Amino acid sequence: DGGITQSPKYLFRKEGQNVTLSCEQNLNHDAMYWYRQDPGQGLRLIYYSQIVNDFQKGDIAEGYSVSREKKESFPLTVTSAQKNPTAFYLCASTSGGGTRYNEQFFGPGTRLTVL
Amino acid sequence: AQSVAQPEDQVKVAEGNPLTVKCTYSVSGNPYLFWYVQYPNRGLQFLLKYITGDNLVKGSYGFEAEFNKSQTSFHLKKPSALVSDSALYFCAVRDRSGGSYIPTFGRGTSLIVHP
Repeated sequence: DGGITQSPKYLFRKEGQNVTLSCEQNLNHDAMYWYRQDPGQGLRLIYYSQIVNDFQKGDIAEGYSVSREKKESFPLTVTSAQKNPTAFYLCASTSGGGTRYNEQFFGPGTRLTVL
Repeated sequence: AQSVAQPEDQVKVAEGNPLTVKCTYSVSGNPYLFWYVQYPNRGLQFLLKYITGDNLVKGSYGFEAEFNKSQTSFHLKKPSALVSDSALYFCAVRDRSGGSYIPTFGRGTSLIVHP
């Protein structure tokens, strides 16, 4: 059963804490992405990676960090430098790293709330 | 630069009536166009895409979309709406060559189908 899994589904963060959101895919996709979704603002790109050991900043990378040590995994860390992290976070992947006509597959999302 | 506009934040239709969710785009070259659907607290699901060829694209769950190059539009349509079609719909664009590799998403349109 192929797909993208994200964990946890819900995450609560205290002020000053770093937290890591997990994203795993078994689709053998080359490219992976992290988006942040806030009500009425659509999707905003945080980071993306087209191949292992390489990643690029998106539009709102400040306060976030990622790694891509394995093809199937692309974890996102929300650091204490991110002042307003409460949001719904979506991970996505695409086959054929440089192929522009392939659609994205999305995980079920993680809802992060700052206490 | 590439951009997508979904001019309606919300569309309401009665069950059984046809529905249209509007999308216009801007790219420097020619586009690849995508529609996704999101149910509450879930990830996005791919519905359909335009790559080339026939301007009328058929997708999942009875949805279709018409590519209109002169009007730079890619409106999503369904002949007979179901209550279960109520969800958030996103249009996305990618430039075929040049420009950004990353797709640009619209802000989303909330579709409400009432009985």
